[in-house]
Amino acid sequence: AQKVTQAQTEISVVEKEDVTLDCVYETRDTTYYLFWYKQPPSGELVFLIRRNSFDEQNEISGRYSWNFQKSTSSFNFTITASQVVDSAVYFCALREEGGSYIPTFGRGTSLIVHP
Amino acid sequence: GAGVSQTPSNKVTEKGKYVELRCDPISGHTALYWYRQSLGQGPEFLIYFQGTGAADDSGLPNDRFFAVRPEGSVSTLKIQRTERGDSAVYLCASSLMNNEQFFGPGTRLTVL
Repeated sequence: AQKVTQAQTEISVVEKEDVTLDCVYETRDTTYYLFWYKQPPSGELVFLIRRNSFDEQNEISGRYSWNFQKSTSSFNFTITASQVVDSAVYFCALREEGGSYIPTFGRGTSLIVHP
Repeated sequence: GAGVSQTPSNKVTEKGKYVELRCDPISGHTALYWYRQSLGQGPEFLIYFQGTGAADDSGLPNDRFFAVRPEGSVSTLKIQRTERGDSAVYLCASSLMNNEQFFGPGTRLTVL
């Protein structure tokens, strides 16, 4: 069974601080996909990144970076120099290759960036 | 191109009534998913369509919930005899096989 844990319920930072959102997952599959989504106050989930289990290379996209470590079953997300517009709920998700194409979502981390 | 659209954006109904929620996926996306999201929670899977057929409906909470996708594009989620506990945001997402899902803005259902 697949499981995603986002232990941080809410994080509050001041603008320009760096912040890391944690994601720990559980799966018995050797092939799987990990995702991060952003849900701003408007409510629509926005896709940020997909990573497959065979690609442990870290990724950077502007102020966003992701650290995938299979050894610790973690896929953490860091925002550098946070901005007020980063305020949102962030969800980590896992989908196993075997079985159905249904991802499991974590409970989300609410990030509040204060000016 | 156009993203996933959902109508209505808000629906208020009375306990015991029937409601239909519509999802229009991204053109060409064969997979369509329905989720339910309660406050402070992540999306909870309801049903997944591949083409016209329901490939996995294991997330539907009971037989009051039903969904269709007759032509492999637009989907309708139907809830009979609504209960106050059905109040939530209902999210629809579509994807190409094996790829990331793209979500619609959701329908906020309130059952009074």
